Amino acid sequence: GNSVTQMEGPVTLSEEAFLTINCTYTATGYPSLFWYVQYPGEGLQLLLKATKADDKGSNKGFEATYRKETTSFHLEKGSVQVSDSAVYFCALTGTNDMRFGAGTRLTVKP
Amino acid sequence: EAQVTQNPRYLITVTGKKLTVTCSQNMNHEYMSWYRQDPGLGLRQIYYSMNVEVTDKGDVPEGYKVSRKEKRNFPLILESPSPNQTSLYFCASSYREGQPQHFGDGTRLSIL
Repeated sequence: GNSVTQMEGPVTLSEEAFLTINCTYTATGYPSLFWYVQYPGEGLQLLLKATKADDKGSNKGFEATYRKETTSFHLEKGSVQVSDSAVYFCALTGTNDMRFGAGTRLTVKP
Repeated sequence: EAQVTQNPRYLITVTGKKLTVTCSQNMNHEYMSWYRQDPGLGLRQIYYSMNVEVTDKGDVPEGYKVSRKEKRNFPLILESPSPNQTSLYFCASSYREGQPQHFGDGTRLSIL
């Protein structure tokens, strides 16, 4: 079946550091890929998405590229802020199937 | 404002006492889903609904029931809760299956 594997956290960075959170997937067919963000005490919010190979999703300075050849969708940001501290989930959706990674907690220190 | 509303937000109860967590969305979405979130496991899908009167099991349906009598509502029912159902629960909806989902703020259940 389909599955998503995320790098384990927690990740702690200083403000303005470069962020990468790795995500790889296993899927049949052509899934859509997502990154969601969860702030404390809240539900998940869509951060960005990509629906086909080589698509790049971007939002709020975050980017991720749908790489079919490496089955990856790594999340990157060039300069993180304290306000980016949250839990990040990689997810995919296929036919009758929605899968989430385990989540990566990011803490950004001033 | 587009939103998914869950109630209650927090509940502490005892084993065997039936409970219902309500979920309502105001976006006229066809697809709705329930998840539980547990440390180290991410979100796991309990049940989903493609439309009114159409529901199906997700990955962890045991011990749960759902219904979809109206498009906007998708309650989660625990007929006889047990301690292993202590978790953080999220309801979500989307225009249709495969589209990005809107999530509620979560319901934290503690079953003693």
